[in-house]
Amino acid sequence: DVKVTQSSRYLVKRTGEKVFLECVQDMDHENMFWYRQDPGLGLRLIYFSYDVKMKEKGDIPEGYSVSREKKERFSLILESASTNQTSMYLCASSPPPGGGYTFGSGTRLTVV
Amino acid sequence: GQNIDQPTEMTATEGAIVQINCTYQTSGFNGLFWYQQHAGEAPTFLSYNVLDGLEEKGRFSSFLSRSKGYSYLLLKELQMKDSASYLCAVRDSNYQLIWGAGTKLIIKP
Repeated sequence: DVKVTQSSRYLVKRTGEKVFLECVQDMDHENMFWYRQDPGLGLRLIYFSYDVKMKEKGDIPEGYSVSREKKERFSLILESASTNQTSMYLCASSPPPGGGYTFGSGTRLTVV
Repeated sequence: GQNIDQPTEMTATEGAIVQINCTYQTSGFNGLFWYQQHAGEAPTFLSYNVLDGLEEKGRFSSFLSRSKGYSYLLLKELQMKDSASYLCAVRDSNYQLIWGAGTKLIIKP
């Protein structure tokens, strides 16, 4: 079974802090994704990556950046956290050329 | 633009059958997925359709009509544990997944 692990289940951060969300997958998948999920809005794609050191903006990249230094690890960075970034963050991975996604358990981030 | 529509909420009775509809308008089509998401948890894969017709998997079935841009998820013999949100997602011509907002299914005894 593919396993996608997110480092934290719950996080509380202060406005202006730099926040790192880590995601690791163990099935050698090329594709990795970061989403946020808010009530009534569904899943919105923040960034994705199809290879090491490669990154592409999704639908809502503003205020975020990513890092993929190793194939198995995809990190989401909130450069200066704001209250409107309070959300559930979900990492996913998939094999090419676009297989089904496997999700991590999610990180519920609260920015105060 | 790209759009996936599904009902916001549905209610059904334990032991009954429920059909959750999904209509889509996307730039290209390379398959449709259904995911189940329990409250506070990550989505988990339920089904995948790329050709027209019905795919059956135990109590769950998924149907696709590409010409109509339409799919449904059919849940039979409903159990309380089926209370969850059900997400429809379409893979477009760029192999990106476009997600619906999800249908919250409430099961009553």
